[in-house]
Amino acid sequence: GAGVSQSPSNKVTEKGKDVELRCDPISGHTALYWYRQSLGQGLEFLIYFQGNSAPDKSGLPSDRFSAERTGGSVSTLTIQRTQQEDSAVYLCASSLRALSTYEQYFGPGTRLTVT
Amino acid sequence: AQSVTQLGSHVSVSEGALVLLRCNYSSSVPPYLFWYVQYPNQGLQLLLKYTSAATLVKGINGFEAEFKKSETSFHLTKPSAHMSDAAEYFCAGGQGAQKLVFGQGTRLTINP
Repeated sequence: GAGVSQSPSNKVTEKGKDVELRCDPISGHTALYWYRQSLGQGLEFLIYFQGNSAPDKSGLPSDRFSAERTGGSVSTLTIQRTQQEDSAVYLCASSLRALSTYEQYFGPGTRLTVT
Repeated sequence: AQSVTQLGSHVSVSEGALVLLRCNYSSSVPPYLFWYVQYPNQGLQLLLKYTSAATLVKGINGFEAEFKKSETSFHLTKPSAHMSDAAEYFCAGGQGAQKLVFGQGTRLTINP
């Protein structure tokens, strides 16, 4: 079946602009995760959803970052007033349930470049 | 707080040689542990996972890992390296629900 998909695959934006990154999880997966991968920081957790609720937003680096999930499916990560330090690959993952026993399946990522 | 440490950001082995990638976790409660592989410009693919059912875990592509509580380790091995194994490998841990905590990654290079 189809895996996790993310769009766009690449995004170049100017500093100060807002961007939206989209994630389509595997059908039937109730949990959805966002991570950020950057050279200096490695792979960092941002936020996760169980259904449409986000019990853990502890990884969001600032209030410029927000995410939502609708219909228990698609999720959008929004970065407002982008800064150069936001440049990274944003990875989305989904799993059957929000439990560590269930493996997370990752999408190919969105490479964000802020100029 | 839980942490995962991978020793060696770069490992280079010859084709056909043993691959050993090291991972240690820091947690008062043994976590669930995972190894993921990332090929260039791709997402992460699960190699194997430890969930306490067995300490020796076999994964895809001939990889395996052994959970050693006394050493708080979960090292990844493969008896004979293949050129197609060249990639970046991430060890990750999770407890209960929610997020994975990742190690810094190890880039594996295979020499012909």
